[in-house]
Amino acid sequence: ILNVEQSPQSLHVQEGDSTNFTCSFPSSNFYALHWYRWETAKSPEALFVMTLNGDEKKKGRISATLNTKEGYSYLYIKGSQPEDSATYLCASLSMGNNRLAFGKGNQVVVIP
Amino acid sequence: EAQVTQNPRYLITVTGKKLTVTCSQNMNHEYMSWYRQDPGLGLRQIYYSMNVEVTDKGDVPEGYKVSRKEKRNFPLILESPSPNQTSLYFCASSFTAGNEQFFGPGTRLTVL
Repeated sequence: ILNVEQSPQSLHVQEGDSTNFTCSFPSSNFYALHWYRWETAKSPEALFVMTLNGDEKKKGRISATLNTKEGYSYLYIKGSQPEDSATYLCASLSMGNNRLAFGKGNQVVVIP
Repeated sequence: EAQVTQNPRYLITVTGKKLTVTCSQNMNHEYMSWYRQDPGLGLRQIYYSMNVEVTDKGDVPEGYKVSRKEKRNFPLILESPSPNQTSLYFCASSFTAGNEQFFGPGTRLTVL
């Protein structure tokens, strides 16, 4: 079983502030790293899928980076808005293994 | 509309009474997966399927069965449910394990 760790587990952010959090995953046999956004009472929705070391992806005010050599990914939210309040999940996939391993999530609450 | 559907959305049952949760996708995805979500434990993969008639265990397969007789359907079967299977269940699909997952709306199961 892959150990995917996310930190911090939860954070409160003032509206307008920027924030970031971390996903750590085993770097050996890495294949892909997924980020999902999960709002309360809804289903997780994909934000990014990254595969290459140094990958950077952006969707609106949310962006992510990937370091496959050291086994971590950062998710950034710029100028947080109340609608950014959600749990952000990362998931890792290893080569030769078709099991997607999820972290426990980063719960973000944006305070108006 | 591209979607993953699950039924039922909510189910309360009793220990030992066999049940099936259906999952269907209309995106011609080859990879389908079942997850359970429990407080403090994040999303854990139960079973996944790479294609028709190809299924494999995830991290927590005990007490569950699946089948993949058709590409679009991936039912989750609990032959003899127990209270520790009370959880929120998500079905998801994607073209491959490395592609973004599309999640169903979730099924909240309570086993008394």
